[in-house]
Amino acid sequence: GENVEQHPSTLSVQEGDSAVIKCTYSDSASNYFPWYKQELGKRPQLIIDIRSNVGEKKDQRIAVTLNKTAKHFSLHITETQPEDSAVYFCAAGPNFGNEKLTFGTGTRLTIIP
Amino acid sequence: SAVISQKPSRDICQRGTSLTIQCQVDSQVTMMFWYRQQPGQSLTLIATANQGSEATYESGFVIDKFPISRPNLTFSTLTVSNMSPEDSSIYLCSVGGNRGKGTQYFGPGTRLTVL
Repeated sequence: GENVEQHPSTLSVQEGDSAVIKCTYSDSASNYFPWYKQELGKRPQLIIDIRSNVGEKKDQRIAVTLNKTAKHFSLHITETQPEDSAVYFCAAGPNFGNEKLTFGTGTRLTIIP
Repeated sequence: SAVISQKPSRDICQRGTSLTIQCQVDSQVTMMFWYRQQPGQSLTLIATANQGSEATYESGFVIDKFPISRPNLTFSTLTVSNMSPEDSSIYLCSVGGNRGKGTQYFGPGTRLTVL
């Protein structure tokens, strides 16, 4: 089955700086890579996703890059703000139907004002 | 995205008892998923619930412990049976979204504490 590794487990950055979280996956059949943000006591929220036919996707301050050859993908947050503080999870899954996702272990991001 | 609700939002239960968690969606969805999130941990898939067929369980999870019902395309239940303190966790349902294949959206979760 799929195995997703996520690094770092914790990350602290100064407000206004950039944050990068990296994930690797094992199953070459995976073609869908979402990122979720989970604030304390709340449900995971989908913030951005990328599919295997795209190398990079951007949404305002958030971007995701994918390297299918190396089987890794990354989340980039620019101009970080205090409200970006949360736990971020990457996931990987097939790009068809509604199939299961395998989640990474999570990164606790803290933005230092 | 679909509006997903779960009941109860939290509960405190005695060991040896069972709790049934409900997940309701405001639109018809093919697949519903049940996850467990232990304190400070990631999301672990328990099972996939298909309407009209038996749920598909992941390794380490069995039907006798986590029976699932999926009576229609908008509703599912997960029962945590014969609970022990190790079952204390957040249980979340998720459904496929309309952003495209593979997308999942989560319910608010049920925080379970077993004494």
